[in-house]
Amino acid sequence: AQSVTQLDSQVPVFEEAPVELRCNYSSSVSVYLFWYVQYPNQGLQLLLKYLSGSTLVKGINGFEAEFNKSQTSFHLRKPSVHISDTAEYFCAVSEGGGSNYKLTFGKGTLLTVNP
Amino acid sequence: GAGVSQTPSNKVTEKGKYVELRCDPISGHTALYWYRQSLGQGPEFLIYFQGTGAADDSGLPNDRFFAVRPEGSVSTLKIQRTERGDSAVYLCASSGVTGELFFGEGSRLTVL
Repeated sequence: AQSVTQLDSQVPVFEEAPVELRCNYSSSVSVYLFWYVQYPNQGLQLLLKYLSGSTLVKGINGFEAEFNKSQTSFHLRKPSVHISDTAEYFCAVSEGGGSNYKLTFGKGTLLTVNP
Repeated sequence: GAGVSQTPSNKVTEKGKYVELRCDPISGHTALYWYRQSLGQGPEFLIYFQGTGAADDSGLPNDRFFAVRPEGSVSTLKIQRTERGDSAVYLCASSGVTGELFFGEGSRLTVL
């Protein structure tokens, strides 16, 4: 079985500061990795994904994440955040191959960007 | 519409009642998924449809939960004899050829 741990439930930062949201996973097989963002009263939106290839993945809104297989991590980063980045962020993992639809999510990290 | 549409957006019911939640996927998407998000938790997989058939229903918590997709488009999640523990946001998603899941805004169910 696979699992996802998001180490921080809340991350407050000031506008224009860098941010890192941490995600660790466990799985006995090769995985696909995802970050989703959920703005207030909206559905989940895909930020970025790692399927294979380069371990540094760039997504929308200036976010990027790095897959580290040895540390089983997929941390999300942004060099300079905006007020509009305030949202809940979810890390998710799925098995490769035929079960890649079944996402296992972490509990989420609430990012609050203050002026 | 352009996105995944879910109705109702909010549903309040009493313990023991029957509830139906509807999902209208993005046009042309053959795959449809239901997830459940309890307070303070990430979404949890319930069921996956490919076309009209349920390809994987391993996430349904018990036999009070059932979902259908009779014409391969709209899906309905049905919950019988609701319990307070069923209170959650029920999320629907659909995907097309890219495999990327597009989520709706969810149906918030409150069981009193």
